[in-house]
Amino acid sequence: DSGVTQTPKHLITATGQRVTLRCSPRSGDLSVYWYQQSLDQGLQFLIQYYNGEERAKGNILERFSAQQFPDLHSELNLSSLELGDSALYFCASSRGLGTGELFFGEGSRLTVL
Amino acid sequence: QQQVKQSPQSLIVQKGGISIINCAYENTAFDYFPWYQQFPGKGPALLIAIRPDVSEKKEGRFTISFNKSAKQFSLHIMDSQPGDSATYFCAAPMIKAAGNKLTFGGGTRVLVKP
Repeated sequence: DSGVTQTPKHLITATGQRVTLRCSPRSGDLSVYWYQQSLDQGLQFLIQYYNGEERAKGNILERFSAQQFPDLHSELNLSSLELGDSALYFCASSRGLGTGELFFGEGSRLTVL
Repeated sequence: QQQVKQSPQSLIVQKGGISIINCAYENTAFDYFPWYQQFPGKGPALLIAIRPDVSEKKEGRFTISFNKSAKQFSLHIMDSQPGDSATYFCAAPMIKAAGNKLTFGGGTRVLVKP
């Protein structure tokens, strides 16, 4: 158990809809990262928050947004969903800003029909 | 776009055999090369990492070999066991990458046959 909690584990929705994925980082970790893993694809970095502030953006679509709350949990909002958004979405956390071990949650599997 | 190129995409090995996965990278922000292991239905977890003031690091049956001049590093799994069946990802801190700069390879699905 990595200590990172993600909900929901599975989500099925229709095109055009909006969903919110939630992540609770490991106790004491200030950085939260969101990654997307599509079928047969590697891990694509989406966005990073550190202590409530956005720190870096990767390949995140404009239809997607995220935030980190004062209690350090984070939410990833996906809107105007398309079939191609179907993927596993992972949250990871780490102690600080610099590189080091990332602790991943078990992911949220999103299916867009 | 800077990439971390990982090969092979999949690998089948007999129990007791050696699994070898290779990664090639472009210019990195600093020297830190981790390997993550992912079992089905789980998130990736750090398996082993190297900060190359050394060219090799061994932890149990897992060894990272690093060739800085060639910009390549590899994971060797010795005496492979069925429990090692998983997807393995290498990562490297690419200069132009965002966040903690770790860019992951495409993954290698390893199947160890009993």
